[in-house]
Amino acid sequence: GAGVSQSPRYKVAKRGQDVALRCDPISGHVSLFWYQQALGQGPEFLTYFQNEAQLDKSGLPSDRFFAERPEGSVSTLKIQRTQQEDSAVYLCASSLALASGGNYNEQFFGPGTRLTVL
Amino acid sequence: AQSVTQLGSHVSVSEGALVLLRCNYSSSVPPYLFWYVQYPNQGLQLLLKYTSAATLVKGINGFEAEFKKSETSFHLTKPSAHMSDAAEYFCAVTEGSGTYKYIFGTGTRLKVLA
Repeated sequence: GAGVSQSPRYKVAKRGQDVALRCDPISGHVSLFWYQQALGQGPEFLTYFQNEAQLDKSGLPSDRFFAERPEGSVSTLKIQRTQQEDSAVYLCASSLALASGGNYNEQFFGPGTRLTVL
Repeated sequence: AQSVTQLGSHVSVSEGALVLLRCNYSSSVPPYLFWYVQYPNQGLQLLLKYTSAATLVKGINGFEAEFKKSETSFHLTKPSAHMSDAAEYFCAVTEGSGTYKYIFGTGTRLKVLA
């Protein structure tokens, strides 16, 4: 079946522009995650959704970052007034659910959106 | 707080040689541990995971890892490197059942020499 897809794959923005990054999770997956991967670094957690509820947004670096998942499926990460430090790969991941019955449900990652802010 | 340390940002091995990528973790509770591989311009692919069952975990593509609580380590090994193993490898930890945040290491880029 289809995996996690993200669009666009590449985005170039001028400093100060707003951007929207889309994530299509695997059908039926309850949990959705956003990570930010700076050049030469490992991914860092941004935010987590369970269905349409945003249960954790502790990793969002500033109030310019906003994520939503209104119908519990597709998610959008929006960055307002982009800055050069926002340049990174933004990864989306989904999983069937959280751990249950001792079984951990792995996160499946999309290919990412590479954002470059000039 | 949880953390992951991957020693060696770049590792080079000859084709056919042993691959050893190191990962040490810090966690105040029993952890779940993962190794992911990332090929250029692709997402992360799970190689293997430790979720408190067997301490020696076998994954895809001939990789395996051993959870050693006394050493707080989860090193990744493969007996014989293939050219196709060249990629970036990430170790990650999470607190386990009921939690969800992955804490990733900074990654190790594996180069396989012909």
